Amino acid sequence: SQTIHQWPATLVQPVGSPLSLECTVEGTSNPNLYWYRQAAGRGLQLLFYSVGIGQISSEVPQNLSASRPQDRQFILSSKKLLLSDSGFYLCAWRGQGAYYGYTFGSGTRLTVV
Amino acid sequence: GEDVEQSLFLSVREGDSSVINCTYTDSSSTYLYWYKQEPGAGLQLLTYIFSNMDMKQDQRLTVLLNKKDKHLSLRIADTQTGDSAIYFCAEGQNQGGKLIFGQGTELSVKP
Repeated sequence: SQTIHQWPATLVQPVGSPLSLECTVEGTSNPNLYWYRQAAGRGLQLLFYSVGIGQISSEVPQNLSASRPQDRQFILSSKKLLLSDSGFYLCAWRGQGAYYGYTFGSGTRLTVV
Repeated sequence: GEDVEQSLFLSVREGDSSVINCTYTDSSSTYLYWYKQEPGAGLQLLTYIFSNMDMKQDQRLTVLLNKKDKHLSLRIADTQTGDSAIYFCAEGQNQGGKLIFGQGTELSVKP
């Protein structure tokens, strides 16, 4: 069966420090991968998505970047965190079949102080 | 552009039925989804419906789709306190692309 792993679960980082959040998927190949941020106001903001290795689409220009070095690995990074980067970050994958919705990871709560 | 709208809050008493509504704008949507998010957790897929269906029932959950009005609803029968969560409606197309999410409806179940 397919599983998605996201870590760490919580993170407190000072302003100006770097960030690396990792997401891996098991049990499937060539998934579409997504990074979302959920701010306190609840709405889900799509940050990046990837349809294959090295293929990254950015939805919102900002202080973050994403990479997909392997088929089932998706990394969210920042060189220098801002206070506004605080939020709940969710990774998700979607299969190629038409009916597949997203399967979400458990999320990372990032607090920038 | 694509948009999905939901009311933000719903409060019901334990044992009552809950109905969460959603409207969407993209008439080419193929599948529509309902997700549940409990505090501090990721989103969990509850159910989905294909756009050529009018209704889908799964235990206590009933999904109704009015494609003409682009209106989707989720009915939870015999609502329990454990159903308290935020419920997201989402729509998507073929090819495994992006899903468009609503803002979520916070369901509060009072004993």
